[in-house]
Amino acid sequence: EVQLVESGGGLVQPGGSLRLSCAASGFTFSSYWMHWVRQAPGKGLVWVSRISSDGSNTNYAGSVKGRFTISRDNAKNTLYLQMNSLRADDTAVYYCARDPGYCGGDCYMDYWGQGTLVTVSS
Amino acid sequence: DIQMTQSPSTLSASVGDRVTITCRASQSMSTWLAWYQQKPGKAPKLLIYEASTLESGVPSRFSGSGSGTEFTLTISSLQPDDFATYYCQQYNSYLLTFGGGTKVEIK
Repeated sequence: EVQLVESGGGLVQPGGSLRLSCAASGFTFSSYWMHWVRQAPGKGLVWVSRISSDGSNTNYAGSVKGRFTISRDNAKNTLYLQMNSLRADDTAVYYCARDPGYCGGDCYMDYWGQGTLVTVSS
Repeated sequence: DIQMTQSPSTLSASVGDRVTITCRASQSMSTWLAWYQQKPGKAPKLLIYEASTLESGVPSRFSGSGSGTEFTLTISSLQPDDFATYYCQQYNSYLLTFGGGTKVEIK
């Protein structure tokens, strides 16, 4: 069974940093592109970033480019999102999600984690 | 970026009703569109991809159609478990974008 479990969320002050993790199991993690998607309270879904299966290729939404860094450790079956220079409008539930594996990253997401809440406030 | 516009934003319906949700893209995108269902406090769940392909395990009362700039999600006979928010997502562009969502409420 595919499982994605996010962790690392919490309360952080504006300008601060946080690193999210997503532990994957039930599939060959190193074979799949992975995504981060966020959802502000009461709002819709927004794609944040993607990373290729080997970690060599990454893309970001314009709103986080230069502040967020996606990475992965295939030996640990774990996806990361390093978030720096956090702002109030970064407050959201952050989901990790799996790319189905045949689109090269430009795709939908077939499995999602339960999400972790990041709150940016003083 | 490709903008995705869903309508309506809220829909009130009864069990057994046929429900249709529309998603319009700001530019033509073939059939690179997915639909998700999300319940409060839960992660989105994939329903349909490539505009009309039903994800494994999804009930057949869900169907998708469309191409180019206009797409629809249809629930043929609304069930109690279907009251949720539905999102479309385009993957024609490398900048993935979602529609604003359609909340299906009990009438």
